[in-house]
Amino acid sequence: KQEVTQIPAALSVPEGENLVLNCSFTDSAIYNLQWFRQDPGKGLTSLLLIQSSQREQTSGRLNASLDKSSGRSTLYIAASQPGDSATYLCAVFYTGANSKLTFGKGITLSVRP
Amino acid sequence: ETGVTQSPTHLIKTRGQQVTLRCSSQSGHNTVSWYQQALGQGPQFIFQYYREEENGRGNFPPRFSGLQFPNYSSELNVNALELDDSALYLCASSLQGIHHEQYFGPGTRLTVT
Repeated sequence: KQEVTQIPAALSVPEGENLVLNCSFTDSAIYNLQWFRQDPGKGLTSLLLIQSSQREQTSGRLNASLDKSSGRSTLYIAASQPGDSATYLCAVFYTGANSKLTFGKGITLSVRP
Repeated sequence: ETGVTQSPTHLIKTRGQQVTLRCSSQSGHNTVSWYQQALGQGPQFIFQYYREEENGRGNFPPRFSGLQFPNYSSELNVNALELDDSALYLCASSLQGIHHEQYFGPGTRLTVT
C-alpha cells in the first residue's frame, strides 16, 4: 500500500531555532513530492515541489530534500519565527495506474516567541 | 492571475440531503482535483477531472460525483449525506495533468447534522 508518514504529529520549538520536518513514503516510484503549509481551518499553500529527478529545492528560509532510495524527504526551516506556526503536510504523487496525490497527516508546528 | 476559489465557505446540511460545492480553477489550469479532509487528517483524494473528463478516482462511493465545465471550473456533488461526510472539502487545480504542482483553494467546510 502506498502511504506517506509524518512523525512526530506535533512539534514545539523556540523562536530562532533551525528545524527539520520529516516525511517518509513507502514506494520509490514517484513523480514528485510536494510540501504544503496549512493554517487552522484554511486551505493548503504550496511551499516546494521536488520532481523525482531532483534532490532538493529551496525557497527563502525553506529547503526540501528528496531521497527516493530511502523513501524520505525533509523540510528544513531556518531561523524559525512565530509566523511559521502551522501544520506542514507532505504529499507524494506515486506513478502507476490510478496514481494520485497521497498525503501524510501533517506535523503541527508551534514556534514560541 | 486569479487563484483557486471555492464556494460556499461554510455549509450546514442535514443527513440525507444533497449538496453541491463549486470550484474555479487558477487561470490557464486544465485539471481539477477534489479532496476531503477530516479533522486532524491529511486530505484524501476523491477524484480529478482533466478537460471535462473524470480521470482518476479515490476510494469514495458513487454518491460522490463531479463535473468539469468548458471553462475548467468544477462542481462536487454529494448525495444522501451522512454524518461522516462532515469535513473540509478542498479543490486543487494544476496545469497539463495532475503530475504538475497542485494549487489549492481555501476549502468549503461542510457540517452534516
